[in-house]
Amino acid sequence: AQSVTQLDSQVPVFEEAPVELRCNYSSSVSVYLFWYVQYPNQGLQLLLKYLSGSTLVKGINGFEAEFNKSQTSFHLRKPSVHISDTAEYFCAVSDSGGGADGLTFGKGTHLIIQP
Amino acid sequence: DAGVIQSPRHEVTEMGQEVTLRCKPISGHNSLFWYRQTMMRGLELLIYFNNNVPIDDSGMPEDRFSAKMPNASFSTLKIQPSEPRDSAVYFCASSFWATGRTETQYFGPGTRLLVL
Repeated sequence: AQSVTQLDSQVPVFEEAPVELRCNYSSSVSVYLFWYVQYPNQGLQLLLKYLSGSTLVKGINGFEAEFNKSQTSFHLRKPSVHISDTAEYFCAVSDSGGGADGLTFGKGTHLIIQP
Repeated sequence: DAGVIQSPRHEVTEMGQEVTLRCKPISGHNSLFWYRQTMMRGLELLIYFNNNVPIDDSGMPEDRFSAKMPNASFSTLKIQPSEPRDSAVYFCASSFWATGRTETQYFGPGTRLLVL
């Protein structure tokens, strides 16, 4: 069975500072990893995904994540955050890449940007 | 593209009433997913369809929940009878699936359900 652990429920950070949101996963098969963002009262939007290949994945809005198989981690990073990045961030895992079966989500991390 | 469309966006009902949530996937997508989001349990997969066929409904909480996909452009999630603990945001997502391909799931805006 798959599972995702997001180690921080809330991360406060000052504007223009760097941020890392942590995600660890467990899976018994090939793994595909995703980060989604949810702005208040909206649906989820894909930030980036790891399917195969380079372990450093770049996404939208200046975010990137690194897949680390030995540590079973997929941490999300941004070198300089903006007020507009305030949102809930979800890490997710899939056996098939997300197209054919459902995603297993972590509980989410609320990123709070302080001016 | 209009994206995934869900209706209604908000629903308030009384315990015991029937609730029907609707979803129109992105045109051309052949996989559809229903998720539920609550503070306590986070985002949970309820059921998903491939080519209109239900593949896995193990996430459906109990027999009061049912989902259908009569055609490629429409799906419903029904709760009958509804209970206060069903209050949540229900998301529909769609994607394109084919052997050897991995595709993104696109989410709708959600239906916020409150059962009094």
